[in-house]
Amino acid sequence: ETGVTQSPTHLIKTRGQQVTLRCSSQSGHNTVSWYQQALGQGPQFIFQYYREEENGRGNFPPRFSGLQFPNYSSELNVNALELDDSALYLCASSFYYPDTEAFFGQGTRLTVV
Amino acid sequence: GDSVTQMEGPVTLSEEACLTINCTYTATGYPSLFWYVQYPGEGLQLLLKATKADDKGSNKGFEATYRKETTSFHLEKGSVQVSDSAVYFCALSDSGYSTLTFGKGTMLLVSP
Repeated sequence: ETGVTQSPTHLIKTRGQQVTLRCSSQSGHNTVSWYQQALGQGPQFIFQYYREEENGRGNFPPRFSGLQFPNYSSELNVNALELDDSALYLCASSFYYPDTEAFFGQGTRLTVV
Repeated sequence: GDSVTQMEGPVTLSEEACLTINCTYTATGYPSLFWYVQYPGEGLQLLLKATKADDKGSNKGFEATYRKETTSFHLEKGSVQVSDSAVYFCALSDSGYSTLTFGKGTMLLVSP
């Protein structure tokens, strides 16, 4: 059973650029959620994908978008990067019904300069 | 909206000391409550959970009891080890495990 893997582990982007982060869900999981964790803060929910559709969204602007693929892997895209987008981005996978644990990846550390 | 408040850290303890990390929450419904742990350079791991009032979650010597009357879910351990040094996050969910509202985290530092 493979765990949740995210790529890349680190990257540096310039303000105004676009970035794509990737997540492979744990084997068998059909739901992926993305979180942003700013330095010294708790993770904040960005959105969730189930069956390739967005299934809930937190308080993030439309320049944060995502995709889920038929194999349940997922991408997080951020356009027009701002300095405040610098954070650890965490992906979590789970089954889509209540009472299933969400397993987290190690995250992608994004630095915007 | 939902929110979680936990005590600020760092909490600094000697090995074998008792630990309490306070957590209180605000939610409109009857949420499930969780403690996650984050070791340096790693993602989040579920430590324990409770899904209804008066439930006690436990794992690896850690315990927390879901107290609806005080809207609290304090994390406790009777004897901490150096390997317990990490950041601990209290969280809640109104809709299953995967849509979580987290507190800001409490860093625990345990010295030999």
